[in-house]
Amino acid sequence: ETGVTQTPRHLVMGMTNKKSLKCEQHLGHNAMYWYKQSAKKPLELMFVYSLEERVENNSVPSRFSPECPNSSHLFLHLHTLQPEDSALYLCASSQDLTSGSVEYNEQFFGPGTRLTVL
Amino acid sequence: TQLLEQSPQFLSIQEGENLTVYCNSSSVFSSLQWYRQEPGEGPVLLVTVVTGGEVKKLKRLTFQFGDARKDSSLHITAAQPGDTGLYLCAGGAAGNQFYFGTGTSLTVIP
Repeated sequence: ETGVTQTPRHLVMGMTNKKSLKCEQHLGHNAMYWYKQSAKKPLELMFVYSLEERVENNSVPSRFSPECPNSSHLFLHLHTLQPEDSALYLCASSQDLTSGSVEYNEQFFGPGTRLTVL
Repeated sequence: TQLLEQSPQFLSIQEGENLTVYCNSSSVFSSLQWYRQEPGEGPVLLVTVVTGGEVKKLKRLTFQFGDARKDSSLHITAAQPGDTGLYLCAGGAAGNQFYFGTGTSLTVIP
């Protein structure tokens, strides 16, 4: 596997279910991100991790719970979601967070998980 | 929140035509990126521009960063069906946070 992979690619869940999204990056990067992409809205940054530490939480409801056990893996745990949470959830990674060369800040995205909440 | 507005929102053109997509904001950004996203996939980075007035060319694509680093444009010459996709601009801010635009959905008809 190369680049950034995400599983599952599609997920349908009820409002009372608990599920997890998984992201894995094979690029040796130190920073990882979760984004939400809804129809007709800009990509919304949800969480940022650097060296397994959460450095950004953009006012995301607590029904979304991220976990970063190591610099290659990122999870998004979901519980008691609402229908309006249906969206494409994208994971991304970058070399680092610190400004330095522009190349360090370039983000590489996975294919996303299409989530539908019934 | 630093808002980036893209125009047009939708664009459908014939193969061989030229087009320009715009990305505008009232905020200043340290850098600006352009991505293309195809259905069922994540965005793929096309280019990063960092200097006001900078112009970068990638084959038939020409990217320009505004002098004041608040806006950018993407020009495609002789569009091809393979150019079809959602084009996203993203402005870079502190802490490597990027603010994404609303996107331009381009369809190139053979």
